[in-house]
Amino acid sequence: EVQLLESGGALVQPGGSLRLSCAASGFTFSSNAMSWVRQAPGRGLEWVSTITDGGTTKYAESVKGRFTISRDNSKSTLFLQMNSLRAEDTAIYYCAKVLPDWYFDVWGRGTLVTVSS
Amino acid sequence: EIVLTQSPATLSLSPGERATLSCRASQNIITYLAWYQQKPGQAPRLLFYDTFSRATGIPTRFSGSGSGTDFTLTISSLEPEDFAVYYCQHRISWPLTFGGGTKVEI
Repeated sequence: EVQLLESGGALVQPGGSLRLSCAASGFTFSSNAMSWVRQAPGRGLEWVSTITDGGTTKYAESVKGRFTISRDNSKSTLFLQMNSLRAEDTAIYYCAKVLPDWYFDVWGRGTLVTVSS
Repeated sequence: EIVLTQSPATLSLSPGERATLSCRASQNIITYLAWYQQKPGQAPRLLFYDTFSRATGIPTRFSGSGSGTDFTLTISSLEPEDFAVYYCQHRISWPLTFGGGTKVEI
């Protein structure tokens, strides 16, 4: 069974940093692009970042220069390093497996990031 | 950035009724559109990709149509488990964007 399990969400002060992880299982992690998608409380979905199987990265303008996506294929784990956090980054962060044509076919349950003083 | 506008924001229907959800793109996205369903407290689930292709396990009462800038998700006869929020997403260019969602409620 394909599974994604996020961790690392927490309450953090504005300007702080956090590192999210997503442990993948049930598929060949190294052969798939992966993404982070977030959802602010009571709001819609927002794509955050994607990393291809070859390591190419893409970012939403709202996080560019502050967030870094990376992967460890030996551990089937996806990461999101988040720096200079703002209140508007408060959201549930979902890890998602990406189809070859850039749709999200498997999602984790999400991890909550709250940025507040 | 391509903007996806979903309408209506809320659709109030009863089980057994037909639901028609709209997604309009600010530019031509050919047929490069997906639909997702999200229930309260759950992650989104892929329903359709490339407008017409049904994801694994999606019932046939769901159908997707459209091209260019206008797309429709149709649920032919609502089941109780279909009451949820539905999002569209394009993949024609970066950044990938989602529509604001349509809530289908009883």
